[in-house]
Amino acid sequence: ETGVTQTPRHLVMGMTNKKSLKCEQHLGHNAMYWYKQSAKKPLELMFVYNFKEQTENNSVPSRFSPECPNSSHLFLHLHTLQPEDSALYLCASSRGGDREDEQFFGPGTRLTVL
Amino acid sequence: EDQVTQSPEALRLQEGESSSLNCSYTVSGLRGLFWYRQDPGKGPEFLFTLYSAGEEKEKERLKATLTKKESFLHITAPKPEDSATYLCAVQAWYSGGGADGLTFGKGTHLIIQP
Repeated sequence: ETGVTQTPRHLVMGMTNKKSLKCEQHLGHNAMYWYKQSAKKPLELMFVYNFKEQTENNSVPSRFSPECPNSSHLFLHLHTLQPEDSALYLCASSRGGDREDEQFFGPGTRLTVL
Repeated sequence: EDQVTQSPEALRLQEGESSSLNCSYTVSGLRGLFWYRQDPGKGPEFLFTLYSAGEEKEKERLKATLTKKESFLHITAPKPEDSATYLCAVQAWYSGGGADGLTFGKGTHLIIQP
């Protein structure tokens, strides 16, 4: 595996379900990010982790719960979602700590909430 | 609050017809301006980072430039495979050199007709 991988690629869930999205980066980076991409809206930053510590929560509802057990893995735990949470969820990673901090994205998880 | 505005929203060109995409931004201390390419159903693919006014970067048929208020992505003699959505994003110095999220524009949907 190379780059940033995300599983599953597609997920359909009911409003009462609990599911998790997984992201893994194979780039040796220290920082990881979750973004949300909805139709007709720009990518929105959700969470930032640097060296496993959460450094930013962009006012995300508590029904989204991130977890970063190490610098290579990032999870997004989902529970009691709403239909408006349907979107493409993108994970990214970067070196962090340098001026040059390009973020590299995974392919995303297409989430549909029924 | 950081803001990014991209124009036009959509652009249709004939193969070989050169043009430019615009990204206007406001940010409290620019750390970097990023250009990404996104194909349907995929995550954004990194193209360029620009750090200071006057900087230019090139890659194949693409050239990115930066001023203090805007960036341009120039496409020279485009081919159908250049069709994609081009995203512009800015990163500010919030965490003193750690990991900072990106603020994205809505993108320009580019179609190159054979």
